[in-house]
Amino acid sequence: AQSVTQPDIHITVSEGASLELRCNYSYGATPYLFWYVQSPGQGLQLLLKYFSGDTLVQGIKGFEAEFKRSQSSFNLRKPSVHWSDAAEYFCAVGAAGNKLTFGGGTRVLVKP
Amino acid sequence: EPEVTQTPSHQVTQMGQEVILRCVPISNHLYFYWYRQILGQKVEFLVSFYNNEISEKSEIFDDQFSVERPDGSNFTLKIRSTKLEDSAMYFCASSSQGSGTEAFFGQGTRLTVV
Repeated sequence: AQSVTQPDIHITVSEGASLELRCNYSYGATPYLFWYVQSPGQGLQLLLKYFSGDTLVQGIKGFEAEFKRSQSSFNLRKPSVHWSDAAEYFCAVGAAGNKLTFGGGTRVLVKP
Repeated sequence: EPEVTQTPSHQVTQMGQEVILRCVPISNHLYFYWYRQILGQKVEFLVSFYNNEISEKSEIFDDQFSVERPDGSNFTLKIRSTKLEDSAMYFCASSSQGSGTEAFFGQGTRLTVV
């Protein structure tokens, strides 16, 4: 069965600093991997996705993620965080039929 | 930009009552999903729907739950007799293909069972 682990429940980062959110997955085949962001009271917005090809993927809002098969990881990064990036971030793995399994989420707090 | 819309945004219901959560998926999408997120917990898959039938469901999706696509645009989730533990945010999603494409999520319906 597929599973996703996000080891960090909360991360606090200063505005302008870099951000990295960790994601580890377990899946038997080549995974489809996603990062979603959820702002307070909002739905889930797709930041980026990995299906195949280049292991470094670019997303919206200046985010990028790197797929590392050897580490079963798909970490999300942003070089310089803005106050508007404060939100909860979910990593997800997709199986055939596009059923998504989500990690527990990482809440990002941005200090001025 | 096309989007998935859900109504209502917030529903309060008494325990034991039936509720119907409504979703309008993106118009050319063929695959539809419901997920839920209990407060403070992860987003969980409930059910996927394709070609007018359930293609997969989780163990959460028991006989109290049903889904329907009553016309060409709406996709509904019915909870027959709500329980306190059904209180959660329910997300509808749709995708153009069954795999290899992203799912687009609605804003969610917050269901509160009292």
